[in-house]
Amino acid sequence: GAVVSQHPSRVICKSGTSVKIECRSLDFQATTMFWYRQFPKQSLMLMATSNEGSKATYEQGVEKDKFLINHASLTLSTLTVTSAHPEDSSFYICSATQRSGPDTQYFGPGTRLTVL
Amino acid sequence: DAKTTQPTSMDCAEGRAANLPCNHSTISGNEYVYWYRQIHSQGPQYIIHGLKNNETNEMASLIITEDRKSSTLILPHATLRDTAVYYCIVRGPGGGATNKLIFGTGTLLAVQP
Repeated sequence: GAVVSQHPSRVICKSGTSVKIECRSLDFQATTMFWYRQFPKQSLMLMATSNEGSKATYEQGVEKDKFLINHASLTLSTLTVTSAHPEDSSFYICSATQRSGPDTQYFGPGTRLTVL
Repeated sequence: DAKTTQPTSMDCAEGRAANLPCNHSTISGNEYVYWYRQIHSQGPQYIIHGLKNNETNEMASLIITEDRKSSTLILPHATLRDTAVYYCIVRGPGGGATNKLIFGTGTLLAVQP
């Protein structure tokens, strides 16, 4: 149980384009989903917290207009990197907590974004 | 959230127990200790968590000192597949935004054949 998936696992795009990453809770309903970013040889950095049906809460220093988060259902959250630039190249990871039961966070496998 | 301190790296022989320490001297009474690990280029994997009592599951054991200022994650029989960065994280109870995890630098455990 408590499986989280991400799609795509890897994406390469040109500078200036937008990229959408999906995060799904496969076998549970997720009250809250989180988005993290991880640069090479660094730890995970929380970008934003999203609750189903409401606006995401962004961490300090994260541009909400650049990283659009939509949490339209209890099993799906999307992160759109708008007008991507090479410095946005990173490993993006989502996590989710169950609607009922323990509020342990379960993580997806991550999405490797490379912006050329 | 309380901060944690972990050694940067550790080695362990395959088949032996791996004991990973974590200091969290400023932990509050209602804060939990969580352990996750991250194998290279993968998302973090939940291992175990505890509040006051020692905990054990199919993956590991968690020993929390009586004053709760430190804890030790024990992998009883380490294998090469246990090579990963292990994160010790302290967080409060509750859901939603209060559930957010703040990752430190973790401990790189290298299991040697």
